[in-house]
Amino acid sequence: QPVLTQPPSASASLGASVTLTCTLSSGYSNYKVDWYQQRPGKGPRFVMRVGTGGIVGSKGDGIPDRFSVLGSGLNRYLTIKNIQEEDESDYHCGADHGSGSNFVVFGGGTKLTVL
Amino acid sequence: QVQLVQSGAEVKKPGASVKVSCKASGYTFTSYDINWVRQATGQGLEWMGWMNPNSGNTGYAQKFQGRVTMTRNTSISTAYMELSSLRSEDTAVYYCARGISIAAGRVLGYWGQGTLVTVSS
Repeated sequence: QPVLTQPPSASASLGASVTLTCTLSSGYSNYKVDWYQQRPGKGPRFVMRVGTGGIVGSKGDGIPDRFSVLGSGLNRYLTIKNIQEEDESDYHCGADHGSGSNFVVFGGGTKLTVL
Repeated sequence: QVQLVQSGAEVKKPGASVKVSCKASGYTFTSYDINWVRQATGQGLEWMGWMNPNSGNTGYAQKFQGRVTMTRNTSISTAYMELSSLRSEDTAVYYCARGISIAAGRVLGYWGQGTLVTVSS
């Protein structure tokens, strides 16, 4: 199964941009990854799915246009532009795998701090 | 609107079992897979498995095989996750989550509010 690696932390100033990275283990470059946002004390929220061709399907409910994704090689990126205070969250990436894509693995999550 | 409402917090002793419920509303319960994900304090997300409410078919993460059982009661649109032989490492918030579409059952588009399970002697 794939292993998803995320840096544990990231930071960006209010109004700036930040790119979060989720790296798939070798051999899984064709995999799609799902991004989830988790605000402090809240449950996760689906952001969007990304493959090597970019977004797959639609964004999650209420996800602003400031959020976008890209995929390249083993990396899947989530970029947030014009960062707002409400973007301070943990961001998790996940991928389905296995027979019928019936299993899921998550990365360790990245804590985004808005300065 | 789609809603998943989970049962309340539980405190269990090591070796016991816990059963968490997830009541669905706002959509046809039998049309979408229900997944279960847990999160220990300060840790990442850990996927436990899925259940198809129509067929009752399940798929469990290898780590939980033999210890987890996912079931449903279609008459009340409720899914259940039972975890047995609890140990302290099972202390976590447990979430149910629905696939974003019928075809994408493992893309978790809708989440319950979470249920804290504490395992302590």
